[in-house]
Amino acid sequence: SQQGEEDPQALSIQEGENATMNCSYKTSINNLQWYRQNSGRGLVHLILIRSNEREKHSGRLRVTLDTSKKSSSLLITASRAADTASYFCATRASGTYKYIFGTGTRLKVLA
Amino acid sequence: NAGVMQNPRHLVRRRGQEARLRCSPMKGHSHVYWYRQLPEEGLKFMVYLQKENIIDESGMPKERFSAEFPKEGPSILRIQQVVRGDSAAYFCASSEDRSTYEQYFGPGTRLTVT
Repeated sequence: SQQGEEDPQALSIQEGENATMNCSYKTSINNLQWYRQNSGRGLVHLILIRSNEREKHSGRLRVTLDTSKKSSSLLITASRAADTASYFCATRASGTYKYIFGTGTRLKVLA
Repeated sequence: NAGVMQNPRHLVRRRGQEARLRCSPMKGHSHVYWYRQLPEEGLKFMVYLQKENIIDESGMPKERFSAEFPKEGPSILRIQQVVRGDSAAYFCASSEDRSTYEQYFGPGTRLTVT
């Protein structure tokens, strides 16, 4: 798999349900970030989790990081139609400047 | 508090023409990153610049592509002699300094090569 690969590729849920997306990566990282992209728009930074952190919360978002498995998950609780977007994880490998983005999870929340 | 600005938002070029994409970082940010996004794909790193310096251009195609971030003015991504395969969304991000990991992204420039 590629660095920063998300799964599932697409997810469709009902409003009010929780959505979980996963991200796997290959190398040691400094930090991992999650971004949202609405169709045809730029990226919106959601949350950053550092390599020495295991879990982080921001509003309805919960991110976990398991460095032993080289994976992260993003949980959106009580989803809303406005959460419909693509979600990307981005990792910065140790010793580098660049971020590697995954191919994204396309989330559709049905009203 | 203006965010990262990119212009133009949409750019149409014929094959063989030059494309110039501009990025103005957030106020106080001196680090700029360019990424390219092909349809249905994630963003791919192209180049990382500080004022007047290219720090990492490992993601830039060797030919036709160049980037600069002058002391004054926006960062410019320049694509010479565009081909259809250059059609993509080009995003710019900025950060305050190297130790600030959070990058703020602009709205992107959608380049279409006809």
